[in-house]
Amino acid sequence: AQSVTQPDIHITVSEGASLELRCNYSYGATPYLFWYVQSPGQGLQLLLKYFSGDTLVQGIKGFEAEFKRSQSSFNLRKPSVHWSDAAEYFCAVGASGGGADGLTFGKGTHLIIQP
Amino acid sequence: DGGITQSPKYLFRKEGQNVTLSCEQNLNHDAMYWYRQDPGQGLRLIYYSQIVNDFQKGDIAEGYSVSREKKESFPLTVTSAQKNPTAFYLCASSIGGSPSSGNTIYFGEGSWLTVV
Repeated sequence: AQSVTQPDIHITVSEGASLELRCNYSYGATPYLFWYVQSPGQGLQLLLKYFSGDTLVQGIKGFEAEFKRSQSSFNLRKPSVHWSDAAEYFCAVGASGGGADGLTFGKGTHLIIQP
Repeated sequence: DGGITQSPKYLFRKEGQNVTLSCEQNLNHDAMYWYRQDPGQGLRLIYYSQIVNDFQKGDIAEGYSVSREKKESFPLTVTSAQKNPTAFYLCASSIGGSPSSGNTIYFGEGSWLTVV
C-alpha cells in the first residue's frame, strides 16, 4: 500500500524567509502528487499538482514543488513567506492501490510565521 | 459562483442522536467524497460516490451512512453507532474518476460536529 510522510509536524519561519516543506511517498510507480493548504477551520485549497512532464511545478500564491523520483519526494517551496501563509499544509498522493479512492494524505505540517 | 457548499458550519448534538450533514456542489462533478479530519490525523475517507445511486465505503465507514440520489448532493448521516463522532467533516468532489486516474479533488469549507 502507498503511504505519504510529512516528517515535520510544525515548522516556524520568519516572515520574508524561504520555506521548504518536505513530503516523501512510498509507491512503486510514479503517482499523482498534490499539495493542499488549509487555514484554521476551513476546507482544503489546492496549491499545485504533478501528473507528468516537467518535474518543477508552479502553483498558486507563489508556491512551487519539485518532484524527485530518485528520492520519492515532492517538496513544497516558497522563496519568501508572508504572514498570511501561516496554515496547515497537506501533501497527498493519488495512485491505484492506495485508499479506497486512491488518494492518500500525509498528516500535515503546521506552518508558523514569526515577525 | 461554482463550488461546494456544506451546511451547517457548526452543529451540536446530544449523544445517541443521528445527525445529517449536507453537501451540495454546482460544479457538475461526477464524483463526491466525505472525509473526516481529527487533529494530527490528516484526512480519512468515510464514503465516496462515483455516480448517482452508487457509493462505496472508505477507510472509516462504520457508524456513517450516505445517499446519492442527485448528482449535486451527497449528504452524510452520522449515526448513534459512531463511537467518537466529534470531528471536522469535509465534503469534496472531482470531475470524474478518482485521484488514482489523475483527477483533482476539490473541497468544501467543512462542518464542525460536536457531540455532547
